[in-house]
Parts: sequence; C-alpha cells; structure tokens
Amino acid sequence: QKEVEQNSGPLSVPEGAIASLNCTYSDRVSQSFFWYRQYSGKSPELIMSIYSNGDKEDGRFTAQLNKASQYVSLLIRDSQPSDSATYLCAVRVNTGFQKLVFGTGTRLLVSP
Amino acid sequence: KAGVTQTPRYLIKTRGQQVTLSCSPISGHRSVSWYQQTPGQGLQFLFEYFSETQRNKGNFPGRFSGRQFSNSRSEMNVSTLELGDSALYLCASSEPSTPTSTDTQYFGPGTRLTVL
Repeated sequence: QKEVEQNSGPLSVPEGAIASLNCTYSDRVSQSFFWYRQYSGKSPELIMSIYSNGDKEDGRFTAQLNKASQYVSLLIRDSQPSDSATYLCAVRVNTGFQKLVFGTGTRLLVSP
Repeated sequence: KAGVTQTPRYLIKTRGQQVTLSCSPISGHRSVSWYQQTPGQGLQFLFEYFSETQRNKGNFPGRFSGRQFSNSRSEMNVSTLELGDSALYLCASSEPSTPTSTDTQYFGPGTRLTVL
C-alpha cells in the first residue's frame, strides 16, 4: 500500500463547477497535510495546509480532513480554466522532521 | 521576502559525470529539503538539512549527497550519473522546525537535470 494515494485523473470539470480532489494516507499518526498545485514544467505551489479534523476554507478552496478515515480532500469552487494543473497531496510523516510524502497527483482539467 | 532560488535551472550531463546543484532558502528559513521528481516515481524525498546537519534521508543510493552551509544555503551532489537520474530536482525551505511543528515547505523553481 502506498503511503499517500491519489487518483491520477484526469478529472474534467466545466468552468464554474466544483472540483473535488481526494487523497488517502496510510500513516495513522500523521499530523500535517498539504495541497500543492503544480503547473506543467513548474514547481509545486502551496495551496492549503490543514492539521485538524474538519474543513478549512481559503477563498475558492476548501480542504477537508478526516483523520479517523485517513482521508483528506480539496474542493475548488467556481473552477476556472486557470485551475487546470496537477494537484499534489502531501503528508508530513511523523517519523521525520520535514519529510513530506507526496501522492502521484491528480490532473485537473477545467474546460471553458 | 524573496523566494527559494535554485541554480542552475537547467543542466545537461553525460553518464559517469558528477553534478552539484545549489539552493538558497527563503531568508530566515533554516531547514532545507531536497526532492527528486520524475514522471514515473513522482516527488520523492532525498534528504533534509537543518543547522548544517542532515536530519533525515530518503531511500536513495549513496551517490546522492548534500550539505548545508552556515548561511543555510544548501548543495546536493550526484556522482557517477546514470540515465535514470534525469529528473527535476526541487529544493524546499521552511522555518525552524521541531519534530512536532507544522512548518510549511516552500519550493524553489527546480533544476532540470538531463543525463545523456
């Protein structure tokens, strides 16, 4: 079992719709979770971090964490073509200091 | 604040050569982590440095090494390059951390290494 799993996609949504990206992780004691966005040929850019169960909202983005189910998700409301990118879920493993374990990413395509 | 910088941005080497990549963290950040990104394996952790000490290491062969200087700048070195080392090498910095901290890592633009 991979430490962090994501559906590779592509996830296709029309402009203005809600995009829902999901991620599961295997390390039960993980405490820190991050969503990064990566455009083709660019480096990952932080979108959201979440540490507690529940929802965290930032603009059009909402991260949801359920530690009991070992599940973290990212919702993008009013999706825009500029949101088309690969979204990486990252988990800070408990055994390390700054080691992040990344999922393989979900490619999101937002059509005009 | 200026972001994380990495040099060079692009590099072409041949098998057997060695390469050194450089990373300057965000001012005030003392932790520097290195990652390798390939289409097949995704983003994989190489190692992390804090106060000139390697604190954590990923599952990479000994050909991959690094160091950190007193000003927090970091370098990584790959010796005896193989074709499979072709990748985007990313550096990320974060503020002083503890085992229980929730510090966020910010990535540099990366160095694209091509091994021929």
